[in-house]
Amino acid sequence: AQTVTQSQPEMSVQEAETVTLSCTYDTSESDYYLFWYKQPPSRQMILVIRQEAYKQQNATENRFSVNFQKAAKSFSLKISDSQLGDAAMYFCAYRRRGSGNTGKLIFGQGTTLQVKP
Amino acid sequence: SQTIHQWPATLVQPVGSPLSLECTVEGTSNPNLYWYRQAAGRGLQLLFYSVGIGQISSEVPQNLSASRPQDRQFILSSKKLLLSDSGFYLCAWSVLDIQGYTFGSGTRLTVV
Repeated sequence: AQTVTQSQPEMSVQEAETVTLSCTYDTSESDYYLFWYKQPPSRQMILVIRQEAYKQQNATENRFSVNFQKAAKSFSLKISDSQLGDAAMYFCAYRRRGSGNTGKLIFGQGTTLQVKP
Repeated sequence: SQTIHQWPATLVQPVGSPLSLECTVEGTSNPNLYWYRQAAGRGLQLLFYSVGIGQISSEVPQNLSASRPQDRQFILSSKKLLLSDSGFYLCAWSVLDIQGYTFGSGTRLTVV
């Protein structure tokens, strides 16, 4: 069974600095998707970024980028120029491509990011 | 555009009372639908998912049940709430693998 591990329960960063959140996953599949979700204090889950495993190029979305290491099964999220609004819980998630009609996402345990002014 | 509505936003219920949380999706057809529960400061636990009307799969045995009476409607229910049912409940939908999930705004349930 696939698993997703976020080994950092909590992280902190100074405003305007860069922070990297770690995520590793375990799968025997070769084709899948990876996601990072943000859950701010409002608890609304927001998709931050996604990566397709068959693409070698790392995904970027403005200040958010990923370091996807397929062989190492690692998928870290880098937040550049951190802002106070980035303070949230971040979840890494995995989804097998062609997962039929279930399409379940497998989530990590989450990392709480604190941004210090 | 696709939207998801989840209500109520907050609910306080006594132990032993029934529960009904509703989730509806607009702007898409035949979505996969999911119910998650989240304890305070914790991760997401998948409770139920549905791939079509009347088709419900349960991930964990518990005091809750789910139903999908219409294509874009997903209901989470309980006949008698327990204290341990307290938590934050999230509904989500998905159509394409690459899409990930789109989540509702959640329901904060407190059982007293």
